[in-house]
Amino acid sequence: DGGITQSPKYLFRKEGQNVTLSCEQNLNHDAMYWYRQDPGQGLRLIYYSQIVNDFQKGDIAEGYSVSREKKESFPLTVTSAQKNPTAFYLCASSPGLAVFFGPGTRLTVL
Amino acid sequence: GQQLNQSPQSMFIQEGEDVSMNCTSSSIFNTWLWYKQDPGEGPVLLIALYKAGELTSNGRLTAQFGITRKDSFLNISASIPSDVGIYFCAGPGTASKLTFGTGTRLQVTL
Repeated sequence: DGGITQSPKYLFRKEGQNVTLSCEQNLNHDAMYWYRQDPGQGLRLIYYSQIVNDFQKGDIAEGYSVSREKKESFPLTVTSAQKNPTAFYLCASSPGLAVFFGPGTRLTVL
Repeated sequence: GQQLNQSPQSMFIQEGEDVSMNCTSSSIFNTWLWYKQDPGEGPVLLIALYKAGELTSNGRLTAQFGITRKDSFLNISASIPSDVGIYFCAGPGTASKLTFGTGTRLQVTL
């Protein structure tokens, strides 16, 4: 089936550790995105990539890093520099304007 | 970053009632999108609108592209418990990225 997969669904890490969230899509979309959602809040753009080997900072990129070595994959690393990393992270891909979301990863930093 | 204003912020309704929500922008849009996010999941695209005045339905959902091109409306008829979730509007932002509204949280009681 075509779609976007994010793993794991739930992730726990100790404070001060870097953690990488996986995102894979088999929709052949050029563009991929990472959003952060806090409880009761909207969607804030962290990073986006419109083509392989290129990515741009979104509105809240500080403390995060990404890579786009393959069209299908857009992993997000939450570094220890991110002050409040506990949140729901959503990956998305797009063939044009509309984006299609994965199921999300809930990261809890203890 | 730019955000769209959605209202109401939250709604508590009884099963069977109709629901109306809206989204406004300070800029003119040529596309409006409506998404629904179930609790703990990624948002799913419900309806896309491409023309001022356009009225589009998807089952019990009807969305309209406002004549001024600065607003859009979503109506849900005869609500049921599975309508619970957060509804987001979205439109074109800068650099071909989507801008999302702040969301309307819908609760349905039996």
